[in-house]
Amino acid sequence: KQEVTQIPAALSVPEGENLVLNCSFTDSAIYNLQWFRQDPGKGLTSLLLIQSSQREQTSGRLNASLDKSSGRSTLYIAASQPGDSATYLCAVPTGGGNKLTFGTGTQLKVEL
Amino acid sequence: ETGVTQSPTHLIKTRGQQVTLRCSSQSGHNTVSWYQQALGQGPQFIFQYYREEENGRGNFPPRFSGLQFPNYSSELNVNALELDDSALYLCASSPVAGHQTDTQYFGPGTRLTVL
Repeated sequence: KQEVTQIPAALSVPEGENLVLNCSFTDSAIYNLQWFRQDPGKGLTSLLLIQSSQREQTSGRLNASLDKSSGRSTLYIAASQPGDSATYLCAVPTGGGNKLTFGTGTQLKVEL
Repeated sequence: ETGVTQSPTHLIKTRGQQVTLRCSSQSGHNTVSWYQQALGQGPQFIFQYYREEENGRGNFPPRFSGLQFPNYSSELNVNALELDDSALYLCASSPVAGHQTDTQYFGPGTRLTVL
């Protein structure tokens, strides 16, 4: 059974700091890994999707890496801003389809 | 292009009642998945519908049921509501079922409170 873990559960940083969020998964036979952002009480916004054949994906100040062999992914946020404050979730497809298994998320707060 | 929409936004019910949540998939998408997200947790997969047929189910009891209509919109029905059913219910659509490379697009969710 695929299990997805995210560390840390919560993170508070000053504005402008670079930061790394971690995601680990137990079954390395994945097709891709997706990072989402969730604002309080809201739905999920897809940030980056890394296919299993890729090692990195970049979008603006965000960079996600994937190491299937070690069962790990990281989300790097450069020059953090207060608007980046949200919960960040990683997810992998499981069960032979694109049904997603999620981590419990990292709650990020970027302070002025 | 219209994104995924869900209704209602919020809902309050009492134990034992029944509830129906609705989802309209993104234009061109024929697969809809439903997830339950308890407070402080990641979303948990409930089930998926592809072309009006159930295409996989998570670890949820039979009182959680669903439908998909010819226009690919979907309903989630929950009978005999329990306090633990209080959660944010998320709907997601994707272009084709079973393609693990497809991105899923999520709606804003329905917040269900069971008293």
